[in-house]
Amino acid sequence: AQSVTQLDSQVPVFEEAPVELRCNYSSSVSVYLFWYVQYPNQGLQLLLKYLSGSTLVKGINGFEAEFNKSQTSFHLRKPSVHISDTAEYFCAVTGAGSYQLTFGKGTKLSVIP
Amino acid sequence: GAVVSQHPSWVICKSGTSVKIECRSLDFQATTMFWYRQFPKQSLMLMATSNEGSKATYEQGVEKDKFLINHASLTLSTLTVTSAHPEDSSFYICSAFDRYTDTQYFGPGTRLTVL
Repeated sequence: AQSVTQLDSQVPVFEEAPVELRCNYSSSVSVYLFWYVQYPNQGLQLLLKYLSGSTLVKGINGFEAEFNKSQTSFHLRKPSVHISDTAEYFCAVTGAGSYQLTFGKGTKLSVIP
Repeated sequence: GAVVSQHPSWVICKSGTSVKIECRSLDFQATTMFWYRQFPKQSLMLMATSNEGSKATYEQGVEKDKFLINHASLTLSTLTVTSAHPEDSSFYICSAFDRYTDTQYFGPGTRLTVL
């Protein structure tokens, strides 16, 4: 079984500042890792994913994440945020070859003008 | 990217009635779909896994007779909330698993309000 911990429930940040949303996971098997974004009253949109290969993964909207196996982390970063990035961000994990996702509790990113 | 639709996007019904929510994968086939429930300011709670042509697998604590799931084709799964009560009011989200990309793609969600 897998578990996901998103260490920050809320992250306020000024517009054009960099941001990092933290995600740690635990698993006894190899994992696939995902970041999804949810805007108010909407479903989840895939930002990026790590399945294998390069540990630095680039996604949509200028986001990137780095898979760190030794630290069991998959932190999400953006060098310069926009007001439109205000949303809830969910980190999720699944065992490699599986398809059932385990979600973190989410991090609410608020971008301040 | 892969697209998943849900219909309706919102529904209001009277207590005791049944409500059907559709989930469709528009540009890929999905042998496996998932139904989630999300309470305000919380993460997604997996309700059940829907497999095309077979019975759904329900998570512990989810009443299978109350939340009926049918996955009759490779692009459509339906969730029927039977005899709905106010406590069933929630945001229901489906996802479809694309086995070629090992990725779940999510629908836009359905807001159910039971009066």
